[in-house]
Amino acid sequence: AQSVTQPDIHITVSEGASLELRCNYSYGATPYLFWYVQSPGQGLQLLLKYFSGDTLVQGIKGFEAEFKRSQSSFNLRKPSVHWSDAAEYFCAVGARNNQGGKLIFGQGTELSVKP
Amino acid sequence: KAGVTQTPRYLIKTRGQQVTLSCSPISGHRSVSWYQQTPGQGLQFLFEYFSETQRNKGNFPGRFSGRQFSNSRSEMNVSTLELGDSALYLCASSLGLREEQYFGPGTRLTVT
Repeated sequence: AQSVTQPDIHITVSEGASLELRCNYSYGATPYLFWYVQSPGQGLQLLLKYFSGDTLVQGIKGFEAEFKRSQSSFNLRKPSVHWSDAAEYFCAVGARNNQGGKLIFGQGTELSVKP
Repeated sequence: KAGVTQTPRYLIKTRGQQVTLSCSPISGHRSVSWYQQTPGQGLQFLFEYFSETQRNKGNFPGRFSGRQFSNSRSEMNVSTLELGDSALYLCASSLGLREEQYFGPGTRLTVT
C-alpha cells in the first residue's frame, strides 16, 4: 500500500540554525514526491517537487530536498531557518498511474523557531 | 495569475443538514481534487475531477459527492451532515492528471 511517514511530529530549531525534516514513503514504482507548507488557517503551499532526473531538487524560500531511492526517503532541508518558517510541513507522494493526481500525505511535522 | 479560490471560507451547519462547497481552479487548470483535513485523520483524498469526469475517489461514504463544470469549476456536496464531518476542506487544481497540485485556502466547516 502507498504511504508516507513523517517520523517527527514536532521540531524546534533556533533561528539561523539548519533544518532537516524527514520523510519516508512506500510506493511500488518511482513516485512523484512533494513537500508542502501550511501556515495556521491557510491552505497548502507547494515548496518543491520531484518527478525524475536530478535527485537534489531546489524549491522556494531556500528549501531543498533530496530523493534517495535506496532509503525510500525525501528529506527536506534548509541551511538557515528564519522565524517566518514556523509552520506545518507535509510530505506527499503522488500516484503515477491511471489513478491520476491523488496525493497521499504524511501526518505533518510542526516546526517551531526559537529566537 | 489568480490562485485557487474557495467559497465560502467558513461555514457552520447543523447535523442532518447538507452543504455545498465551491472551488474555482487556477485559469487553464483542468483537474480539481478535494481533500479533507482533520486533526485526527490528517489530509485525506476525497475525489478528483478532470474534464467534468470523476477520475479517482477516496474512501469516503456516498454522502460525499462532487461535480465539475465545463469551465473546470467544481463543487462538492455533503449530505446528512455528521459531527465528524467538521473539517477543513481543501481544493487543489492542476494542469492535468499527475501534475503538481496547487491548493486553495480551504473552507472551514463546523457541524454542530
